[in-house]
Amino acid sequence: AQSVTQLDSHVSVSEGTPVLLRCNYSSSYSPSLFWYVQHPNKGLQLLLKYTSAATLVKGINGFEAEFKKSETSFHLTKPSAHMSDAAEYFCVAVNSGYSTLTFGKGTMLLVSP
Amino acid sequence: EAGVTQSPTHLIKTRGQQATLRCSPISGHTSVYWYQQALGLGLQFLLWYDEGEERNRGNFPPRFSGRQFPNYSSELNVNALELEDSALYLCASSSGTSGTDTQYFGPGTRLTVL
Repeated sequence: AQSVTQLDSHVSVSEGTPVLLRCNYSSSYSPSLFWYVQHPNKGLQLLLKYTSAATLVKGINGFEAEFKKSETSFHLTKPSAHMSDAAEYFCVAVNSGYSTLTFGKGTMLLVSP
Repeated sequence: EAGVTQSPTHLIKTRGQQATLRCSPISGHTSVYWYQQALGLGLQFLLWYDEGEERNRGNFPPRFSGRQFPNYSSELNVNALELEDSALYLCASSSGTSGTDTQYFGPGTRLTVL
């Protein structure tokens, strides 16, 4: 079975500094992985997805993630945080064959001026 | 293009009652998924419907049920409500059933059980 671990429940950064949100997955095969963002009182929005093509995936709003099979990781990064990035971020794995998603517990990103 | 819509936005019920939540997928999408986002439990998969059939369900009791209509909209029913059913219920839709097809989420229905 798939499982996803987000290593930090909260990450605090200053505006203009880099963002790193960490995610590890557990799977017996290379999964499809996603990062979604949830702003307060809003639904989930897809940031980016990895589907066994290029290991470095670029998403919206300057975010990117690198799939590292040897480390079973799929960390999300952004070079420079913006106040509007403050939200909760979810690392997600697809249960292939069932088309359903397994979510990590989420990381709340706090951005201070 | 309209996104996934859900109604109502908020729903308040008392223990033992039934709740009905509705979801309209993006036009052209045939798959609808339901997820529960409860405080402290994170986001959990509830149900998946495709072409009118239930394809998979998560680890939830049978009092959580639903259906998909010919126009691909969907309804989630929760019977015999319990306090712990209080949560944000999210609906998502996708155009295919491959695991790589993006799921697009609606804004959710917040269910409060008193």
